[in-house]
Amino acid sequence: DAKTTQPPSMDCAEGRAANLPCNHSTISGNEYVYWYRQIHSQGPQYIIHGLKNNETNEMASLIITEDRKSSTLILPHATLRDTAVYYCIVRVGSSNTGKLIFGQGTTLQVKP
Amino acid sequence: NAGVTQTPKFQVLKTGQSMTLQCAQDMNHEYMSWYRQDPGMGLRLIHYSVGAGITDQGEVPNGYNVSRSTTEDFPLRLLSAAPSQTSVYFCASSYSNWGRKNTEAFFGQGTRLTVV
Repeated sequence: DAKTTQPPSMDCAEGRAANLPCNHSTISGNEYVYWYRQIHSQGPQYIIHGLKNNETNEMASLIITEDRKSSTLILPHATLRDTAVYYCIVRVGSSNTGKLIFGQGTTLQVKP
Repeated sequence: NAGVTQTPKFQVLKTGQSMTLQCAQDMNHEYMSWYRQDPGMGLRLIHYSVGAGITDQGEVPNGYNVSRSTTEDFPLRLLSAAPSQTSVYFCASSYSNWGRKNTEAFFGQGTRLTVV
């Protein structure tokens, strides 16, 4: 599985958009980009995933560059409850294993 | 819908003791896995299972055993607890065919284990 690189920490003002970058320059054609977050040592929570097209759901948007070497998770209107560690993970889509390999993630601090 | 249930939530063991961390899911997921998380670090995979009767090792399997006799349950056994196994343990489950919709992993709330 491709390795990901994320900034260790970011701040965001409450109500503003939070843009979390992820670099995955060695991603393969059949690898998906997944985002999870972990709030205050709770179990990680799924946010969104995508292959090459931009994706949006009720929680966030995922923007993947055309060359797929990087992506950005966007929380459109960050709240204090979005303060968490955000993990970017790449996974082979057709793999028959349930493995997730976590990096260090980005600690997002949403400030009033 | 209970999702992924882990028991116990907290446990203190003495060095050398054995115990089993329980994990159960009610979503009929094929895949289940165990992770540990040490302070300030991301999650590391201990063992995983792609279905009943099938298990395999992850990144840090030493000192732990698993079995998968049913789809629902995936217990993690510590054979002889050591202080280095003090950690927070998370169990996860998911459907197969990563990338399709509804294949995200669901995590339990964790078991906080201290070995003294």
